[in-house]
Amino acid sequence: DGGITQSPKYLFRKEGQNVTLSCEQNLNHDAMYWYRQDPGQGLRLIYYSQIVNDFQKGDIAEGYSVSREKKESFPLTVTSAQKNPTAFYLCASSPPTSRFSPSGNTIYFGEGSWLTVV
Amino acid sequence: GQQLNQSPQSMFIQEGEDVSMNCTSSSIFNTWLWYKQDPGEGPVLLIALYKAGELTSNGRLTAQFGITRKDSFLNISASIPSDVGIYFCARGDMRFGAGTRLTVKP
Repeated sequence: DGGITQSPKYLFRKEGQNVTLSCEQNLNHDAMYWYRQDPGQGLRLIYYSQIVNDFQKGDIAEGYSVSREKKESFPLTVTSAQKNPTAFYLCASSPPTSRFSPSGNTIYFGEGSWLTVV
Repeated sequence: GQQLNQSPQSMFIQEGEDVSMNCTSSSIFNTWLWYKQDPGEGPVLLIALYKAGELTSNGRLTAQFGITRKDSFLNISASIPSDVGIYFCARGDMRFGAGTRLTVKP
């Protein structure tokens, strides 16, 4: 089945540790995104990538890093510099945009990963 | 940054009532999207809008792309208990509103 797979679903991190959240898609989408959601809050954009080997900071990139070495993979590392990392993390992807395919602006989400600092 | 306001923040309604929520942006965008999120899951796309003035339905849901291209509306008719959740709007730059939390009382 095509889709976006995030792992792990639940992750516990000790203070001072880096952790990496995995995101894989088999939809052949060019663009991928990472969002953070705090309890009762909306989604905030961390990083996005429009194409392999290229990525851009979103609105809250400090304390996070990403890589895009393969089209289907966009892992997110939560570094020790992120002072308040406990949150729900969502990965998403979208197909290419063109004049004939405006649906490229439509993004699809994975199931999310819960990160808790202990 | 460019503001995106979603209202209301929350709604408590009786089963069978109609619901309306909206999003307003400080800038023009070519796309408006509406999503629903159930607890602990990723948001699911409900309706996508690509043209100013466009009115699109998905079952009991109807969404409109405002003529000014700065706003969008989502209406749910004859609400049922499974409509409970958080509804988000998103605009073309992939920024999301803060969400409208809907509670439906049987």
